Amino acid sequence: QSALTQPPAVSGSPGQSVTISCTGTSSDVDNYNRVSWYQQPPGIAPKLMIYDVSNRPSGVPDRFSGSKSGNTASLTISGLQAEDEADYYCSSNTSSNTWVFGGGTKLTVL
Amino acid sequence: EVQVVESGGGLVQPGGSLRLSCAASGFPFSNFYMQWVRQAPGRGLVWVSRITSNGRSTTYADSVKGRFTISRDNAKNTLYLQMNSLRAEDTAVYYCTRERGGTYFDFWGPGTMVTVSS
Repeated sequence: QSALTQPPAVSGSPGQSVTISCTGTSSDVDNYNRVSWYQQPPGIAPKLMIYDVSNRPSGVPDRFSGSKSGNTASLTISGLQAEDEADYYCSSNTSSNTWVFGGGTKLTVL
Repeated sequence: EVQVVESGGGLVQPGGSLRLSCAASGFPFSNFYMQWVRQAPGRGLVWVSRITSNGRSTTYADSVKGRFTISRDNAKNTLYLQMNSLRAEDTAVYYCTRERGGTYFDFWGPGTMVTVSS
């Protein structure tokens, strides 16, 4: 149950776009379209932003989008806003019917 | 409004036990699988355990298998996590989450802090 691999930090200026990657293996990301993304501001519980690779729950701005290629999933945030500053985590089902998270990426809006 | 609220956290000595509860409201609790996820101070999210809607099937992370037991009381709309043989590395905020589609967690509680220390 090794964690998925995310960059520790990314940054961007307001209005720009940033992409956060999430790399797994054939036991998780590569074999399943079951990647989800969560936003966690400091001291607050995580919030679902993307599910099943590219679907947005109701209420999540369309500035947030997800995709996947092979064993790497990506979260793209376009038109960056100050309120987007938070930690972001990816997650995937695994072949052993468990779940695994990425190590988290700290997004800084410059 | 969907709500899940954890309780039962606190300070416990190594080797001790603690039972967490998660009170659910605003949705038909007995229809949903539920999960526990934890986060050590300053660290990332880690999946802990999952239980099916009827409570008959459970799954655990290797790190807690044999020490933690997930259960539920659908009549009381409550999820539980019994934690035994606690270790310092179990220190974390424990989140109760609702599972959807067998793949993701759509609602999270505010979390309850568990500290294992002498």
